Amino acid sequence: GAGVSQTPSNKVTEKGKYVELRCDPISGHTALYWYRQSLGQGPEFLIYFQGTGAADDSGLPNDRFFAVRPEGSVSTLKIQRTERGDSAVYLCASSLAGGPYEQYFGPGTRLTVT
Amino acid sequence: EDQVTQSPEALRLQEGESSSLNCSYTVSGLRGLFWYRQDPGKGPEFLFTLYSAGEEKEKERLKATLTKKESFLHITAPKPEDSATYLCAVLGGTSGSRLTFGEGTQLTVNP
Repeated sequence: GAGVSQTPSNKVTEKGKYVELRCDPISGHTALYWYRQSLGQGPEFLIYFQGTGAADDSGLPNDRFFAVRPEGSVSTLKIQRTERGDSAVYLCASSLAGGPYEQYFGPGTRLTVT
Repeated sequence: EDQVTQSPEALRLQEGESSSLNCSYTVSGLRGLFWYRQDPGKGPEFLFTLYSAGEEKEKERLKATLTKKESFLHITAPKPEDSATYLCAVLGGTSGSRLTFGEGTQLTVNP
């Protein structure tokens, strides 16, 4: 079956601009996660959705970052006033439910802020 | 706070030369330990979940084991296509549904 998909695969933006990153999870998965991965590091948790609601947003670095999942399927990660330090690969994952279930990752969006 | 340390950072093997990767963890109430494989430019690919000490899982040339303090990923007779970064992650009792990852071990298998 289809896996997790993310668009765009690459995004280059100028400092101060607004960006949106999209994630389409595996069909039937109620839990959706966003992680951020810098070069040579493991993924770092940003936010977790159970259905339409953000169950845990403790990993969002500041209020420039926001994410939504209005219909409990596709999610959008939004970054305002981008900074060069936001450059990273943004990974989306989904699982059947929250808790100790396998999380399946998408290919990621590489964000470069110039 | 959950912590994961992987060693070595990088490992070079000859084809057929078996070895092990280590994942040491500190967590309050382990609910799951996960191994992933990540190829350059791609997202992590799920390999195994281990839930309790003593548990073992196998897939082709890979075998994952778990103790109360660490997990090992044993690679038997590796092939060049096993070259990748291997990531370990834990789900702790106080961490909700968020995984805490180690920095990974970059494995290179030479033909």
